[in-house]
Amino acid sequence: KQEVTQIPAALSVPEGENLVLNCSFTDSAIYNLQWFRQDPGKGLTSLLLIQSSQREQTSGRLNASLDKSSGRSTLYIAASQPGDSATYLCAVRPEGGSEKLVFGKGTKLTVNP
Amino acid sequence: DTAVSQTPKYLVTQMGNDKSIKCEQNLGHDTMYWYKQDSKKFLKIMFSYNNKELIINETVPNRFSPKSPDKAHLNLHINSLELGDSAVYFCATRGHNTDTQYFGPGTRLTVL
Repeated sequence: KQEVTQIPAALSVPEGENLVLNCSFTDSAIYNLQWFRQDPGKGLTSLLLIQSSQREQTSGRLNASLDKSSGRSTLYIAASQPGDSATYLCAVRPEGGSEKLVFGKGTKLTVNP
Repeated sequence: DTAVSQTPKYLVTQMGNDKSIKCEQNLGHDTMYWYKQDSKKFLKIMFSYNNKELIINETVPNRFSPKSPDKAHLNLHINSLELGDSAVYFCATRGHNTDTQYFGPGTRLTVL
């Protein structure tokens, strides 16, 4: 059974700092991995999607890496801003045609001005 | 113009009642989902529909019945509500040639 773990559960940093969020998964047989952002009282916004054959994806100040064999992904946020404050969720889609995503519990990020 | 919308945003009801949550998307996507996020913040898939056909049905009590009247709508009807049904329910969609899912704002259901 696939399990996704995100560490740390919460993170508080000063504005301008570079930071890394971690995601690990127990079964390396994945189709892809996605990072989402969830703001309080709102839905999820997809940030980056990495296919199983890819090593990383970049979008602006965000960079996500994937090491499928070791069951790990990281989300790197450069020059953090208060507007980055949110909960960041990692989700994997298993191989085998199933569309369901398996989510971690998220990392709550607070960027202090 | 919201891509994926849900109504209502908040729903407070008594145990034993029957309620529905509606989801509408204007993205023209073929696939729609219902997720449940419990008090511990775990987000789990409940159902998936593709072109109005049920694709995924996780181990959800049969008190939960999704209904897709057309490709733009996937509603969730819940019978005989229980305290444990209290959660935030999210609708999501996915286009034909993409793996990215687009989520609605969620419906917070509180069962008293």
